[in-house]
Amino acid sequence: AQKITQTQPGMFVQEKEAVTLDCTYDTSDQSYGLFWYKQPSSGEMIFLIYQGSYDEQNATEGRYSLNFQKARKSANLVISASQLGDSAMYFCAMRDAGANSKLTFGKGITLSVRP
Amino acid sequence: EPEVTQTPSHQVTQMGQEVILRCVPISNHLYFYWYRQILGQKVEFLVSFYNNEISEKSEIFDDQFSVERPDGSNFTLKIRSTKLEDSAMYFCASNRGLSYNEQFFGPGTRLTVL
Repeated sequence: AQKITQTQPGMFVQEKEAVTLDCTYDTSDQSYGLFWYKQPSSGEMIFLIYQGSYDEQNATEGRYSLNFQKARKSANLVISASQLGDSAMYFCAMRDAGANSKLTFGKGITLSVRP
Repeated sequence: EPEVTQTPSHQVTQMGQEVILRCVPISNHLYFYWYRQILGQKVEFLVSFYNNEISEKSEIFDDQFSVERPDGSNFTLKIRSTKLEDSAMYFCASNRGLSYNEQFFGPGTRLTVL
């Protein structure tokens, strides 16, 4: 069974600084995908970034990058130049081999950006 | 930009009542999903749907739950006899299929069972 672990209870970062949100995963599949979603206080789930298990380069999307370390089974999200609007809950998620299969989520990390 | 929509945004019901949560996935998407999030907890998978049938379901998705795609646009989740523990945010998501990985989530329906 797949498992996503997010152990940081809550993170604080100063505006304009970078922050790393940790995620480790466990799977027996060779092919899988890793996702990060943002959930602001309004409740919607916003897709941020995707990394495939066979992708050799770390994924990047604007200010978001994914630090993928396959041997360590970690997929940390790096947010550069934090903005006040980045304050939200962040969820790491994984899907198994099928590209269209379900997502398994971690319990999330709360990020607060200080002005 | 196309998006997944869900109605209603908030539903309050009495225990034992039936509820239907509605979703309109993105029009050219082929895979549809329901997830739920109990307040303060992680998002949990309920069911996935493809080609007019359930492709996978979790242990949460018991006989009280059903899904339907009654026409070419709507995707519904029915809970036949609601329990207090069904109170949660319910998210619909859709995926284009083929090699596309992103699941696009709707804004959610908050279900409160009294």
